[in-house]
Amino acid sequence: NAGVMQNPRHLVRRRGQEARLRCSPMKGHSHVYWYRQLPEEGLKFMVYLQKENIIDESGMPKERFSAEFPKEGPSILRIQQVVRGDSAAYFCASSPSSQSAHEQYFGPGTRLTVT
Amino acid sequence: QQQVKQSPQSLIVQKGGISIINCAYENTAFDYFPWYQQFPGKGPALLIAIRPDVSEKKEGRFTISFNKSAKQFSLHIMDSQPGDSATYFCAARLKAAGNKLTFGGGTRVLVKP
Repeated sequence: NAGVMQNPRHLVRRRGQEARLRCSPMKGHSHVYWYRQLPEEGLKFMVYLQKENIIDESGMPKERFSAEFPKEGPSILRIQQVVRGDSAAYFCASSPSSQSAHEQYFGPGTRLTVT
Repeated sequence: QQQVKQSPQSLIVQKGGISIINCAYENTAFDYFPWYQQFPGKGPALLIAIRPDVSEKKEGRFTISFNKSAKQFSLHIMDSQPGDSATYFCAARLKAAGNKLTFGGGTRVLVKP
């Protein structure tokens, strides 16, 4: 059973470009969470999605950031017009659609570098 | 009220020793407390977790102690090994806030052989 998959693992973008980060949850999981980790810091919650629905986006910056989890395909975190401060590791986690929804399993992350 | 404070920031322990990491929280509505282990360049891996109605949970060399009245919990790594060298994060879940996890700042543990 494959774990949470994220791609790309490393992404370099110039200021002003768009970044698209993809996350495929574990098989059977329908809850997806995105977290951001700045160097030497803990993870900060960004958004929580279920299939076709955004449940909680309280951690998302109001501008330039969006997320989706379509009925088919991976979850996408999209950052428009990237700035240097967006450089970070972005982690996706998934959990099953059951009483165990609290057990979140993380992917390997996408390391975004904005030049 | 959403914060989880973790200490120490870094820890050096000899092989065979005990590593102890502490976390404190304010929000009594947190209902689930996991610990994650992260190696450089990797994603966090769920290590062990506890609910507030349990005072202690042990899995192999890893033990969580939970003090509900003090709003503190800690991770003990017994017989620490060089392979345990990693960054450890405590976290807390607020179910009412949609299962999102609030993480502590992390503790970098180095186990010297």
